[in-house]
Amino acid sequence: EAQVTQNPRYLITVTGKKLTVTCSQNMNHEYMSWYRQDPGLGLRQIYYSMNVEVTDKGDVPEGYKVSRKEKRNFPLILESPSPNQTSLYFCASGRTGLVNTEAFFGQGTRLTVV
Amino acid sequence: AQKVTQAQTEISVVEKEDVTLDCVYETRDTTYYLFWYKQPPSGELVFLIRRNSFDEQNEISGRYSWNFQKSTSSFNFTITASQVVDSAVYFCALTGSQGNLIFGKGTKLSVKP
Repeated sequence: EAQVTQNPRYLITVTGKKLTVTCSQNMNHEYMSWYRQDPGLGLRQIYYSMNVEVTDKGDVPEGYKVSRKEKRNFPLILESPSPNQTSLYFCASGRTGLVNTEAFFGQGTRLTVV
Repeated sequence: AQKVTQAQTEISVVEKEDVTLDCVYETRDTTYYLFWYKQPPSGELVFLIRRNSFDEQNEISGRYSWNFQKSTSSFNFTITASQVVDSAVYFCALTGSQGNLIFGKGTKLSVKP
């Protein structure tokens, strides 16, 4: 089954404790992206990757890191999480972008930083 | 700059009513795509429709219909005879220049029995 898998689905952590949210897709998509969703703000792009070893900042990259060492995986790293990073996070992938109807979103990761 | 505006933050209707969700967009691109996504209470994003900027035909899919008007930069979504299962947050989105999607802030629809 074609899918984007995020883990964990739910996470409560403390300020300053490094964490990684994993994202994996099984569709051989070149494009992957991370979004965060906050009430009243919609979804905003954090980082994106056009292909392996190519990553770039989206609209709200501060406090996040990503890597794209292999095509299928695009982990989101919070080196020192803060409460303002409490949010619902989505990973997405698409063949060459999110324009195609083949674009897929993960199930979401609800992160709480206390 | 590209932008999507969903002016209605929350809408509440009674079952069987028709409801229209508004979406207004801004872009300088001549070729672009518009989308609607549904986010039910369970939280996942469900793709509903993609519309090419060159295709202004309205589309109907069951109780759902979409009205794309380039002249007013609008891509409105109508649910006919709403049902409780339609309760969700609906997002309108526009293609950005980086292969990404630019989302509106969403409209929360509550359908009461």
